[in-house]
Amino acid sequence: GENVEQHPSTLSVQEGDSAVIKCTYSDSASNYFPWYKQELGKGPQLIIDIRSNVGEKKDQRIAVTLNKTAKHFSLHITETQPEDSAVYFCAASGAGGADGLTFGKGTHLIIQP
Amino acid sequence: DTGVSQDPRHKITKRGQNVTFRCDPISEHNRLYWYRQTLGQGPEFLTYFQNEAQLEKSRLLSDRFSAERPKGSFSTLEIQRTEQGDSAMYLCASSLAEGMNTEAFFGQGTRLTVV
Repeated sequence: GENVEQHPSTLSVQEGDSAVIKCTYSDSASNYFPWYKQELGKGPQLIIDIRSNVGEKKDQRIAVTLNKTAKHFSLHITETQPEDSAVYFCAASGAGGADGLTFGKGTHLIIQP
Repeated sequence: DTGVSQDPRHKITKRGQNVTFRCDPISEHNRLYWYRQTLGQGPEFLTYFQNEAQLEKSRLLSDRFSAERPKGSFSTLEIQRTEQGDSAMYLCASSLAEGMNTEAFFGQGTRLTVV
């Protein structure tokens, strides 16, 4: 089955700086890679996703890159703000995301004022 | 529609008791998923439904767990003879699996504590 590794487990950055979270996956058949943000006591919230037919996707301050050959993908957050503090999860799935997702263990992002 | 709704938000039960959770997906979504999340970990896939059909079950779903989606709308997850190891957040998600639009949206979860 699919295995997703996520690093780092904790990331502390100064407000205004950029944050990068990296994930690797094992199953070359995976073709859908979403990122979720989870705040304390809440369910995961989809923030951006990418499919295997593109290498990069951007939405305002958030971007995701995908390297299919190396089987890794990354989340980039620029101009970080206090409200970006949360736990971020990467995930992977085959069938374009219609089947269940395999999640990484999460990154606790801390934005220092 | 305000999103995926789960009930109850919190449940405390004694070991050995049965519990049932409910999930109401986003109304037009045809796929419904159950995940389990323990402290400090990412969600782990348990099972999913396409309309009323249960299409896949994880090996994490022991025979004490059963899920139903009788009319292809809401779903229930029952845990029989609860054990302390069942303590976790149980998350429900739904998606509209048509073409490329398969984003899954999660509910707030049901936090189960087995004492």
